[in-house]
Amino acid sequence: AQSVSQHNHHVILSEAASLELGCNYSYGGTVNLFWYVQYPGQHLQLLLKYFSGDPLVKGIKGFEAEFIKSKFSFNLRKPSVQWSDTAEYFCAVNALAGANNLFFGTGTRLTVIP
Amino acid sequence: GAVVSQHPSRVICKSGTSVKIECRSLDFQATTMFWYRQFPKKSLMLMATSNEGSKATYEQGVEKDKFLINHASLTLSTLTVTSAHPEDSSFYICSAEKLAGGNYNEQFFGPGTRLTVL
Repeated sequence: AQSVSQHNHHVILSEAASLELGCNYSYGGTVNLFWYVQYPGQHLQLLLKYFSGDPLVKGIKGFEAEFIKSKFSFNLRKPSVQWSDTAEYFCAVNALAGANNLFFGTGTRLTVIP
Repeated sequence: GAVVSQHPSRVICKSGTSVKIECRSLDFQATTMFWYRQFPKKSLMLMATSNEGSKATYEQGVEKDKFLINHASLTLSTLTVTSAHPEDSSFYICSAEKLAGGNYNEQFFGPGTRLTVL
């Protein structure tokens, strides 16, 4: 079975600090990888995704993530966070061999202090 | 765009009653929709896959007789929590799958429904 781990439960940063949120998954086959963001009171939105090709993917709002196959990781990064980045961030995995289901990590709450 | 709505956004009901939650894809057709449940400080847990015109596929541990899913049209799926109990209180989120070709069809999420059972 697939599982997704996000080790950082709550991260607090000051504006302009750099961000890296960890995501590891357990699945031996080919996967699609996603990061979703949930701003306070809003629904889940896709931040970025990796299907194949360049393992460094760029998403919206200056976010990027790097797929490292050997480490089963897909960490999210942003060089300089803003107060408006305060949100909950979810990593998700879809196994190509299975149905179109998404398996989510437990989420990381990011609080950016102005 | 790809917008998914849910109704109601919040519902409070008495124990033993049934509650219906609607999930609609507003600007695209979705043969497949998904229902998730989100516990406080926990991840989204997939409950079931809703397929238009056929029976839903439930994840292990989810009672299909308690969580009734109906996907009667290409834009509407409903989740009915039957004989609700306080432990059913949770945040229920749906997503709708938009066909895009390739090996994966992106899911678009609704805003969620907060269910509180007294």
